[in-house]
Amino acid sequence: DAGVIQSPRHEVTEMGQEVTLRCKPISGHDYLFWYRQTMMRGLELLIYFNNNVPIDDSGMPEDRFSAKMPNASFSTLKIQPSEPRDSAVYFCASSLYTDTQYFGPGTRLTVL
Amino acid sequence: DAKTTQPPSMDCAEGRAANLPCNHSTISGNEYVYWYRQIHSQGPQYIIHGLKNNETNEMASLIITEDRKSSTLILPHATLRDTAVYYCIVKVEGFQKLVFGTGTRLLVSP
Repeated sequence: DAGVIQSPRHEVTEMGQEVTLRCKPISGHDYLFWYRQTMMRGLELLIYFNNNVPIDDSGMPEDRFSAKMPNASFSTLKIQPSEPRDSAVYFCASSLYTDTQYFGPGTRLTVL
Repeated sequence: DAKTTQPPSMDCAEGRAANLPCNHSTISGNEYVYWYRQIHSQGPQYIIHGLKNNETNEMASLIITEDRKSSTLILPHATLRDTAVYYCIVKVEGFQKLVFGTGTRLLVSP
């Protein structure tokens, strides 16, 4: 299995631009998670889906962030407009009902 | 809020056992203890979890005290590739949210 796939691996953009991060979960997994990691705040859960339906988005920082899962094999996290404080590593993870979460390699986002 | 307390850092010599402690004095009866680790620049990786009995897998052993207020993750023969941040997390099995604390940064040296 290829594991969780995230793209791009690195993204550098300017303040005010739209950023879209992509994730392909492990085939057959029914849960998908988006996390953000910064030095100041550590690893935080932003949102998670079950069977493509958002279950808990209480960690989404503000309306500039949105996440979608149009099908079982693809999810996006969009930031519009981006700000320098959004600079972080964004991880996607997936799991089956067994609880073990499998994380992707992450996307390092830099907003100038 | 994280429900666990871990030392910020630990050192271990290569080939020796690494024993990483975790305090979870407010753990509830239906909460499990999970361990994940994060090697530099990679996503976190699941290691092991348990309720009250000791658990062992190919990666590590988990020792939970009888009162369940603390636990120890044991890497029996640490290698340089075990250098990572180790996170101890308590949560109800089936409840999907993982709340990561600050973890223990383990440095394995030659």
